[in-house]
Amino acid sequence: QKEVEQNSGPLSVPEGAIASLNCTYSDRVSQSFFWYRQYSGKSPELIMSIYSNGDKEDGRFTAQLNKASQYVSLLIRDSQPSDSATYLCAVNSGYSTLTFGKGTMLLVSP
Amino acid sequence: DVKVTQSSRYLVKRTGEKVFLECVQDMDHENMFWYRQDPGLGLRLIYFSYDVKMKEKGDIPEGYSVSREKKERFSLILESASTNQTSMYLCAIRRLAVSDTQYFGPGTRLTVL
Repeated sequence: QKEVEQNSGPLSVPEGAIASLNCTYSDRVSQSFFWYRQYSGKSPELIMSIYSNGDKEDGRFTAQLNKASQYVSLLIRDSQPSDSATYLCAVNSGYSTLTFGKGTMLLVSP
Repeated sequence: DVKVTQSSRYLVKRTGEKVFLECVQDMDHENMFWYRQDPGLGLRLIYFSYDVKMKEKGDIPEGYSVSREKKERFSLILESASTNQTSMYLCAIRRLAVSDTQYFGPGTRLTVL
């Protein structure tokens, strides 16, 4: 059974701080990794994708991948209250399917 | 922009009813997926389709069936709804030639009484 693990949280950070969200996965052959943001009652929306070891930056978001450790993370700089949501980690687990973690709830306090 | 629509945002049905949930995409995406999402259990794949008239079981297909007669439309069918099928149902699409990213529709909150 392919697994993607995330701390359920909530992770609480003050406005302006860096939020660090972590994810581990069990399938060593996974090649594609995604972070989705989901507001309460809404559907997941893609924030970042990463395919190679190292860092990938997009605005305030940085995804980090370490395939040797089977670890992927998302850093959110200058966190805003509007970043309060559940963040889902997803890993490619087959030809076209993704396995999702259960998500980490992030709370950013003003 | 990728556009995925689902037939209803909220739906209330009775136990034993046959329920149809529809997902429609407006672009040439080959792959379509149905998930359900429950608190504490996360997103779980029910069925997916590679192309017209093709379907594959996901992790939790029991109690569900699907239909894909046209490329743009993928239907999830609950043959005889049960209370344990009360959930948020999410459709997703993927365009093979572009990337393996999946994009989600707005979701249908189904309540079975």
